[in-house]
Amino acid sequence: DAKTTQPNSMESNEEEPVHLPCNHSTISGTDYIHWYRQLPSQGPEYVIHGLTSNVNNRMASLAIAEDRKSSTLILHRATLRDAAVYYCILRQSFGNEKLTFGTGTRLTIIP
Amino acid sequence: DAGITQSPRHKVTETGTPVTLRCHQTENHRYMYWYRQDPGHGLRLIHYSYGVKDTDKGEVSDGYSVSRSKTEDFLLTLESATSSQTSVYFCAISGADSSYEQYFGPGTRLTVT
Repeated sequence: DAKTTQPNSMESNEEEPVHLPCNHSTISGTDYIHWYRQLPSQGPEYVIHGLTSNVNNRMASLAIAEDRKSSTLILHRATLRDAAVYYCILRQSFGNEKLTFGTGTRLTIIP
Repeated sequence: DAGITQSPRHKVTETGTPVTLRCHQTENHRYMYWYRQDPGHGLRLIHYSYGVKDTDKGEVSDGYSVSRSKTEDFLLTLESATSSQTSVYFCAISGADSSYEQYFGPGTRLTVT
């Protein structure tokens, strides 16, 4: 499985945008980029995913580099409820439904 | 929220005893998964199922077995629990398309003494 690299931790002020980076230099052409987050004492929850183009949903935006070797999850206006561990995961698009979690980025929101 | 429940939510058991954890879904999703999560690690896949009676091993399957006799239920069994299996166990489900997200249950905290 292709591997992702994320910073161990980040801090951001409340009500400011947050940019969470992810490097995936060995990504294959058929890998989707998925982001999940895990709030304290809960199971992970899906945030967003994309293949080549930038994606937006109600939770966040995903910016994908043109060469697809990196991506950035953007929280447009962080709240205290966004404090979580964020996982960037590559998921093969054919015949493999498994997710391989790394250790993610622990995001702390400063009031 | 996706209809996925886990039981029990907490369990304390002794070394050497068998333990079965249950995952139940009401979404009729094809795929079901069991993960474990330990401090300092992300989630690690134990076993997964891609249909009734169709299962396969994940990266940390030693000491665990699974069964899926109905679409809605996926059981994880520790035949003889060991202290190294103390962990939080998460079940997840997903649809048939690779781009579909996985939905996770609330987790089961298992302590083996």
